[in-house]
Amino acid sequence: GAGVSQSPSNKVTEKGKDVELRCDPISGHTALYWYRQSLGQGLEFLIYFQGNSAPDKSGLPSDRFSAERTGGSVSTLTIQRTQQEDSAVYLCASSFLNSGQSEQFFGPGTRLTVL
Amino acid sequence: AQSVTQLDSQVPVFEEAPVELRCNYSSSVSVYLFWYVQYPNQGLQLLLKYLSGSTLVKGINGFEAEFNKSQTSFHLRKPSVHISDTAEYFCAVSDRAGGFKTIFGAGTRLFVKA
Repeated sequence: GAGVSQSPSNKVTEKGKDVELRCDPISGHTALYWYRQSLGQGLEFLIYFQGNSAPDKSGLPSDRFSAERTGGSVSTLTIQRTQQEDSAVYLCASSFLNSGQSEQFFGPGTRLTVL
Repeated sequence: AQSVTQLDSQVPVFEEAPVELRCNYSSSVSVYLFWYVQYPNQGLQLLLKYLSGSTLVKGINGFEAEFNKSQTSFHLRKPSVHISDTAEYFCAVSDRAGGFKTIFGAGTRLFVKA
C-alpha cells in the first residue's frame, strides 16, 4: 500500500489476555519503529527494527512485551497478560533508513483498551 | 541522554494571530531535530526537520523553526494561524550517541479559535 497500515484499529480485551498488534510498513522501508501514545504522555519509544533485527529494545516496558519482524516487512507487537496500564494507542512508523535523519512515516495506530 | 521538553501542553490562539511552540532538547552531540503534527483523528506527519546548515528551517503549511545551539532550542513558529492548524505538535530529537533513536516530546496542543 501507499502508507503504513496497522491492524486492528481498535482492540478491547480483558485483563490477563494476550494481544497481537500488526504493522505493515511502506514497501522498501528498512527501519520500523513501535511507539506507545498515552493521553498527555507524548510518544514513548518501544522498539525499532533494522531489517529483521532489533538493535534497540530498551523501550519495552516489561518482559510481557515482545516484537518480531519477518521478511524485513510485517511486524507484530505482542503483549502478554495485558494489564489496565497497557491501555494506549500503539503507533508504528517506518523509514527508508535508520540514520537518524530519515523522516518517519506513521500508521494510524491501534487503540488498545484493557478492561 | 537525550530528552525533549515542550514547555507548553496547550496553546490557545485566535485565528490570524502569530504563534510560537517551544521546544528545548538535551543532547551532548550533534543532533537532528524534527517537528511532527498530528491532526485530529489522523496519523503523525512530518512538518519540518533540521539536519545541518541554515538554522532557519521552513516546513509545510507556512511553519518554520529556528535551531539555536547555544540555547538548545528548536521553537516552531507561524506568523498567522488558521483554524485548520488546530492539532497536536510534537518536537523530536535524534543523535548518534543515542543510536539515532528518535525521542519525542510530550506534545503541544494548538487550539485556534475564530
